[in-house]
Amino acid sequence: QVQLVESGGGVVQPGGSLRLSCAASGFIFSTYGFHWVRQAPGKGLEWVSFIRFDGGNTYYADSVKGRFTISRDNSKNTLYLQMNSLRAEDTAVYYCARARISGYDFRLSLDPWGQGTLVTVSS
Amino acid sequence: EIVLTQSPGTLSLSPGERATLSCRTSQSVTSSYFAWYQQKPGQAPRLLIYGASSRATGIPDRFSGSGSGTDFTLTISRLEPEDFAVYYCQQYGISPWTFGQGTKVEIK
Repeated sequence: QVQLVESGGGVVQPGGSLRLSCAASGFIFSTYGFHWVRQAPGKGLEWVSFIRFDGGNTYYADSVKGRFTISRDNSKNTLYLQMNSLRAEDTAVYYCARARISGYDFRLSLDPWGQGTLVTVSS
Repeated sequence: EIVLTQSPGTLSLSPGERATLSCRTSQSVTSSYFAWYQQKPGQAPRLLIYGASSRATGIPDRFSGSGSGTDFTLTISRLEPEDFAVYYCQQYGISPWTFGQGTKVEIK
């Protein structure tokens, strides 16, 4: 079955770095776009970043632009989020989510989602 | 950036009742690029509705979506115990993809 499993979360000091991973299985990874979405404790959902199926296009929220980098390794069926210059306000559960269907179009809903990994930025 | 505003913030209802959730966007959104998600405590969000009115795979037909332009609605025809959760609307036609702040449907 389709499965997304995030890892790499943890506690990091302000200004530090962390790399999240999202391992995918149960479908042809290389044909789907992917998103990262985060949720601060007790808050709503905030879209973070998107990468096209071939890595050819990437998009970022203004709040993370220049600090976070989304990437993928289609040979390993894995999505990544490199997070640098972390701030307290980056503390959240980070979810990876797949575009609902495969292909070029980035205008797709998110389905399914992984279970999330918690990132805590604190001194 | 397109801002999505959901109302009400909290909806207190009993099982068996009808729930009507609203989402208003700050500018017109193509209905093809509008979705609703459900999130239960400690769980990841789950896609319910895409394209404003199409149910995702496995979603019961008591869930329905409607709307166009700047006003969209999620209706749960008869609440089941498992439907008490937080619901988010989302537009995905224009980057940045944006979500509403959520509506909590709680047991009265």
